[in-house]
Amino acid sequence: QSALTQSASVSGSPGQSITISCAGTSSDVGGYNYVSWYQQHPGKAPKLMIYEVSNRPSGVSDRFSGSKSGNTASLTISGLQAEDEADYYCTSFTSSRTVVFGGGTKVTVL
Amino acid sequence: QVQLQESGPGLAKPSETLSLTCTVSGGSISSNSWSWIRQPPGKGLEWIGYFYHTGTTNYNPSLKSRVIISVDTSKNQCSLKLSSVTAADTAVYYCARGVVTAPRSALDIWGQGTMVTVSS
Repeated sequence: QSALTQSASVSGSPGQSITISCAGTSSDVGGYNYVSWYQQHPGKAPKLMIYEVSNRPSGVSDRFSGSKSGNTASLTISGLQAEDEADYYCTSFTSSRTVVFGGGTKVTVL
Repeated sequence: QVQLQESGPGLAKPSETLSLTCTVSGGSISSNSWSWIRQPPGKGLEWIGYFYHTGTTNYNPSLKSRVIISVDTSKNQCSLKLSSVTAADTAVYYCARGVVTAPRSALDIWGQGTMVTVSS
């Protein structure tokens, strides 16, 4: 199975909004509403930020939102803050009943 | 609250079988699904496989011939066995719990991870 495609890096100034994309196929992202997003700070375990495309777990800021169009999912961070600087990974359930991760996007707050 | 702790040898020799355990505290292992994910140094996350709450398992096709994930309800533990390891298996290994509504792709509780180095 091929990894989902994410841009390597995205940057923005504090207060701005940024969007991270996650491109897959009709066998994964496009075929199921089982896309999740994780935030990972250096040396830490990943943290679930969005699941089932657009649901936020309890405790996750509403500055984080998710969406999907066709075979591409997106994570938007609004009101960018210094603490949002981290790596972000998307993941999707697949038609083979496996799970595939994206390659990760490094978010830099300028 | 539920916490996960991975444990196992930090060093494995090439061709050996790597065995890791994930101990669940603060909750029962029986009613959830459990996944293993790894991250080579400086690289991204790689899904290894899951143990679905119904008892079924599924694995990354690239690792399928070498991986077994199992659950021991009496010990409240989930285990990972990876055989015929090579240097390419050097990574931080994480266990994680699946969200009830999306138990295979949405992982809401993670262990801190355990570093495994494969070297002779």
